[in-house]
Amino acid sequence: NAGVTQTPKFRVLKTGQSMTLLCAQDMNHEYMYWYRQDPGMGLRLIHYSVGEGTTAKGEVPDGYNVSRLKKQNFLLGLESAAPSQTSVYFCASTTSRTRRATEAFFGQGTRLTVV
Amino acid sequence: SQQGEEDPQALSIQEGENATMNCSYKTSINNLQWYRQNSGRGLVHLILIRSNEREKHSGRLRVTLDTSKKSSSLLITASRAADTASYFCATEGSGTYKYIFGTGTRLKVLA
Repeated sequence: NAGVTQTPKFRVLKTGQSMTLLCAQDMNHEYMYWYRQDPGMGLRLIHYSVGEGTTAKGEVPDGYNVSRLKKQNFLLGLESAAPSQTSVYFCASTTSRTRRATEAFFGQGTRLTVV
Repeated sequence: SQQGEEDPQALSIQEGENATMNCSYKTSINNLQWYRQNSGRGLVHLILIRSNEREKHSGRLRVTLDTSKKSSSLLITASRAADTASYFCATEGSGTYKYIFGTGTRLKVLA
């Protein structure tokens, strides 16, 4: 059981380039989340999904897009990277609200640098 | 911003001492959770307390929740060097599916 897997683990982009971060979970979780973590800011929610084919904006969605075409995958896209998007990105998943346990499981993070 | 705040931002204690960190949040919640993050790693779930609970224990962890004050505290008893990490609270707002994290407390336990 791999849990939550993020790909890639590290990436350096030039300003204006695009990329997609992949999050995959093998726990059949309904809900998935993308966060960014910056020094002194804690984790801030970018986008989230409550099920296959659905997405919603979080606290800091500008400059990012997401897709949830398959239940196990949640993709985060940067169409035109900016230095302000330099951050560590974390994906998380949790189970449906119909079950009692609602702890979130996190991936190991993607460290993105935009130069 | 809906983000909660944690207090203190940093805490340094001796091994064997207790560590207490606090979390304040802004909206009504379904539950509040605490997570630990070791340097450069993902977050690991520690404990969850529901909005109708006031106190919960798990091993050396004790969590309290005061919904009237919109605050929670995490107590780690008999701390160990291995407890050195950042600790975050996260709230799931009522009627939402979002987990909103606090800014974290950096705990350093000196051997």
